[in-house]
Amino acid sequence: GENVEQHPSTLSVQEGDSAVIKCTYSDSASNYFPWYKQELGKRPQLIIDIRSNVGEKKDQRIAVTLNKTAKHFSLHITETQPEDSAVYFCASKTPNFGNEKLTFGTGTRLTIIP
Amino acid sequence: NAGVTQTPKFQVLKTGQSMTLQCAQDMNHNSMYWYRQDPGMGLRLIYYSASEGTTDKGEVPNGYNVSRLNKREFSLRLESAAPSQTSVYFCASSLRGLSSYEQYFGPGTRLTVT
Repeated sequence: GENVEQHPSTLSVQEGDSAVIKCTYSDSASNYFPWYKQELGKRPQLIIDIRSNVGEKKDQRIAVTLNKTAKHFSLHITETQPEDSAVYFCASKTPNFGNEKLTFGTGTRLTIIP
Repeated sequence: NAGVTQTPKFQVLKTGQSMTLQCAQDMNHNSMYWYRQDPGMGLRLIYYSASEGTTDKGEVPNGYNVSRLNKREFSLRLESAAPSQTSVYFCASSLRGLSSYEQYFGPGTRLTVT
């Protein structure tokens, strides 16, 4: 089955600097790659996603890049703010009609230092 | 719209006791999921239901059973709780289809087995 590895497990960044979190996946057929943000004590929520036919997607201060050849994708957060402190999970989905299972990475705890 | 709701929010069980975690969604979603979240392990899929009347095992199904009661409700049962099942349990749902694979999570149930 699909395997997703996520690095680093913890990341501390000065406020205003950029943060990058990387994930690799094992199944070359995977075609959907979302990122979820989980604030302390809260539920995970989707912040951005990308499909395999796109190399990059941006939404204000966050962006995701996908390298299908290398089977890795990354989350980029620019101009970090205190409210960006959270645990971030990457995930991937293999194509399977009627089955939207996601395989999640183990998470990155991002701390923004004021 | 309440989205995805879960009951209870917290539960303490003794080893060997049984309980059922309830989940309901009001978004007319087809697919529903149960995950467990443990420190450093990310979100691991226990069971999922692609549609009403169908259920399938995920990554860590041992010790659990599920019921897709109708389109709205998906319950998770622990028949004989073990300390290894101490975890935070999240239910999620998604609209099956090519337009969106986003999973919407419930608020979680924190379960402690002593």
